[in-house]
Amino acid sequence: QSVLTQPPSASGTPGQRVTISCSGSTSNIGSNTVNWYQQLPGTAPKVLIYSNNQRPSGVPDRFSGSKSGTSASLAISGLQSEDEADYYCAAWDDSLTGYVFGTGTQVTVL
Amino acid sequence: QVQLVESGGGVVQPGRSLRLSCAASGFTFSTHGMHWVRQAPGKGLEWVANIWSDGSNQYYSDSVKDRFTVSRDNSKNTVSLQMNSLRAEDTAVYFCARDLWSGNAKYCDYWGQGTVVTVAS
Repeated sequence: QSVLTQPPSASGTPGQRVTISCSGSTSNIGSNTVNWYQQLPGTAPKVLIYSNNQRPSGVPDRFSGSKSGTSASLAISGLQSEDEADYYCAAWDDSLTGYVFGTGTQVTVL
Repeated sequence: QVQLVESGGGVVQPGRSLRLSCAASGFTFSTHGMHWVRQAPGKGLEWVANIWSDGSNQYYSDSVKDRFTVSRDNSKNTVSLQMNSLRAEDTAVYFCARDLWSGNAKYCDYWGQGTVVTVAS
């Protein structure tokens, strides 16, 4: 099972701000940078945020990431219908010597 | 443009073997590590394995260690996943992904579309 814990679901109306949390430990989030992936239905994941708070080119600035201690969060401001997807946090884990994904959060736009 | 194309998936009986391949193009393959990530039906993402750019190091999740082997051929721009002693719980879509490791950043920046592996009798 995953060592990074996320809420299973989050929702909001168009234009609202939604925040997703990701809880880990000293061996993963506490020691390494956090990345966030978006997976639209039926498609491969896509990196949304890397290195805690960096956006790859092409990712709207509505998406932002932060990290504090052994937790991280992803915020989506100005929620849009096309943001309906599954979101995963991830980080390298020094104890497991491997990459770990969060449990995933399904975002619904009401 | 960067392209990753997985192949080799299919239906296999428990206990048998299967070999997946991922063909890379559009970048200098030998300068990037590669990952395999899987997703069981209706479930979340699970990291499977990572291999360094020169193939000198490989890392595995506990769930596949000693059963799966990741390898690469930099002359053919391919990364492979040899899966032995397959179990029903290995049923998943298997994605290959390019590793981007720069400074303190390490993440999967490009992903293939995946290949489906079904383990069933």
